[in-house]
Amino acid sequence: GQNIDQPTEMTATEGAIVQINCTYQTSGFNGLFWYQQHAGEAPTFLSYNVLDGLEEKGRFSSFLSRSKGYSYLLLKELQMKDSASYLCAVRSYNTDKLIFGTGTRLQVFP
Amino acid sequence: DAGVTQSPTHLIKTRGQQVTLRCSPISGHKSVSWYQQVLGQGPQFIFQYYEKEERGRGNFPDRFSARQFPNYSSELNVNALLLGDSALYLCASSPDRGLAKNIQYFGAGTRLSVL
Repeated sequence: GQNIDQPTEMTATEGAIVQINCTYQTSGFNGLFWYQQHAGEAPTFLSYNVLDGLEEKGRFSSFLSRSKGYSYLLLKELQMKDSASYLCAVRSYNTDKLIFGTGTRLQVFP
Repeated sequence: DAGVTQSPTHLIKTRGQQVTLRCSPISGHKSVSWYQQVLGQGPQFIFQYYEKEERGRGNFPDRFSARQFPNYSSELNVNALLLGDSALYLCASSPDRGLAKNIQYFGAGTRLSVL
């Protein structure tokens, strides 16, 4: 089967660091994606990992361990505008199909 | 450059009706995928089209169909609407070459309400 798990909700304080975890079990793997989605808007691409390790992009970093079926998204220097849902998705092999988790709703407080 | 555009933005239908949703991909993108997102859930894959051919189909009934046109735009059709079809329908396009080859870029979606 295919299953992606991530926490439903998280809260953090402005200026802090937050880590959103994602575990997955899929029949085929060809990359892991993180998207940000503000309420009522389109998912926006944040990061893509296909090999193990850490990918850093400004205030956002994403880590992947394929052997453990595990990824995390790290957000530094949190801003109020970072309040959104964060979607973890796995791409199936040889297709564009993305399998999404239910998303983690992050609320940043002043 | 324009992103993925979808129309209409909102739609209200009644049970049993049919609906057509439209998507224009980013210029140069040949692959288009459709997703359904129910409130509070992640998007669920419906279809992928590449070069006018269906490349993948999710676990949706035959009431759902799609097609892609020579200009790579796409339509999603849903027949015999049910209350449970109420959702945000997202279209995504991706390039078939370059550094962004595997990245899907989403449109703002069409919010369908079935009454």
